[in-house]
Amino acid sequence: GAVVSQHPSRVICKSGTSVKIECRSLDFQATTMFWYRQFPKQSLMLMATSNEGSKATYEQGVEKDKFLINHASLTLSTLTVTSAHPEDSSFYICSAELAGARTDTQYFGPGTRLTVL
Amino acid sequence: AQKITQTQPGMFVQEKEAVTLDCTYDTSDPSYGLFWYKQPSSGEMIFLIYQGSYDQQNATEGRYSLNFQKARKSANLVISASQLGDSAMYFCAMKTKTSYDKVIFGPGTSLSVIP
Repeated sequence: GAVVSQHPSRVICKSGTSVKIECRSLDFQATTMFWYRQFPKQSLMLMATSNEGSKATYEQGVEKDKFLINHASLTLSTLTVTSAHPEDSSFYICSAELAGARTDTQYFGPGTRLTVL
Repeated sequence: AQKITQTQPGMFVQEKEAVTLDCTYDTSDPSYGLFWYKQPSSGEMIFLIYQGSYDQQNATEGRYSLNFQKARKSANLVISASQLGDSAMYFCAMKTKTSYDKVIFGPGTSLSVIP
């Protein structure tokens, strides 16, 4: 099956610092990756769609200058939370789309739990 | 508007029994895909099963089957022979052309398997 990795799995940082999260498709190429945010006991909220070689598409209400997305290759997308604050503490999870298959299924990484002190 | 509804916030099932998790959806798009994902306490989202809107037969994957009733716009997940490891959150999701192929998730159902 399609495998997506995410690094780091957990990060604790001080308020005001920036945090970079990597999402990699390990055994397939993904022209499109997605970044989600999930609060405790809630569903996933799409933050942005990351397209290889072009600018990310952000959902309404998501600050693009705060959540920088770079999709530099067909197997790597990064999310940088700039000047993180306690309200940015959350579970961030990425997915990569296995395109061309009948289902265009999204496969998810294991997630990154961010805690901002 | 595209929407996924899961009316069961929490469910309990006895080990080895079957359980049905409900999902209804709303879309005016004639072409769509329906997905079920499992999220254990570790947080990872595990793809379970897919049903296309034009598929004639209900999807099955091992112990998972999808009871697809198109006219009623429902796509219930059936887990047979429940195991303790099935305890997790389960999310129903939908993808349509109208939603620019973004996946829309339901609120989820928490399943607890009792030994």
